[in-house]
Amino acid sequence: KAGVTQTPRYLIKTRGQQVTLSCSPISGHRSVSWYQQTPGQGLQFLFEYFSETQRNKGNFPGRFSGRQFSNSRSEMNVSTLELGDSALYLCASTGGDTEAFFGQGTRLTVV
Amino acid sequence: DAKTTQPPSMDCAEGRAANLPCNHSTISGNEYVYWYRQIHSQGPQYIIHGLKNNETNEMASLIITEDRKSSTLILPHATLRDTAVYYCIVRSSNDYKLSFGAGTTVTVRA
Repeated sequence: KAGVTQTPRYLIKTRGQQVTLSCSPISGHRSVSWYQQTPGQGLQFLFEYFSETQRNKGNFPGRFSGRQFSNSRSEMNVSTLELGDSALYLCASTGGDTEAFFGQGTRLTVV
Repeated sequence: DAKTTQPPSMDCAEGRAANLPCNHSTISGNEYVYWYRQIHSQGPQYIIHGLKNNETNEMASLIITEDRKSSTLILPHATLRDTAVYYCIVRSSNDYKLSFGAGTTVTVRA
């Protein structure tokens, strides 16, 4: 079956702009989680959505938001970008079994 | 808020078994031990998980101590492609959040 698809793979934005990242989970998976990975902080949990509802949220400012659609696809948005938001953003989908499958990530560079 | 402790790095010779330890002394009864690995700049890859019994799949074996306070991931015949950061994670079955620590950087040498 197809894996988790994240788009775009690479993105360059300017400080102050906003960005929207997309994640298509594995077919049939209803949970989508988002993570941020930076060299300094490692992999950090952003939030998790299940059936269009946010179930869990990490310790990130309100500039980071997300949503999930009825087909389980998810988007995350970062507003008022800062240089420190440069990171690899990873999406993971989880189905009835308990292991999470990750996408290849979106590499965001803020200049 | 990772609940696991792993050595920061280890080397392994190609073709030999790699034994990766993990301490999770505060693990609760309903928490599983998961292992993921991440090859440079790719998304983490699921390896194996277990509750209290030892587990084996095509990638690795997971040995969990009887008191469940520690575990060992065994890569039976390491190859150069196994060079990666390996993460040991503890999570409950009804919480899909994964709390990653720093992991163990495994370098397989020819």
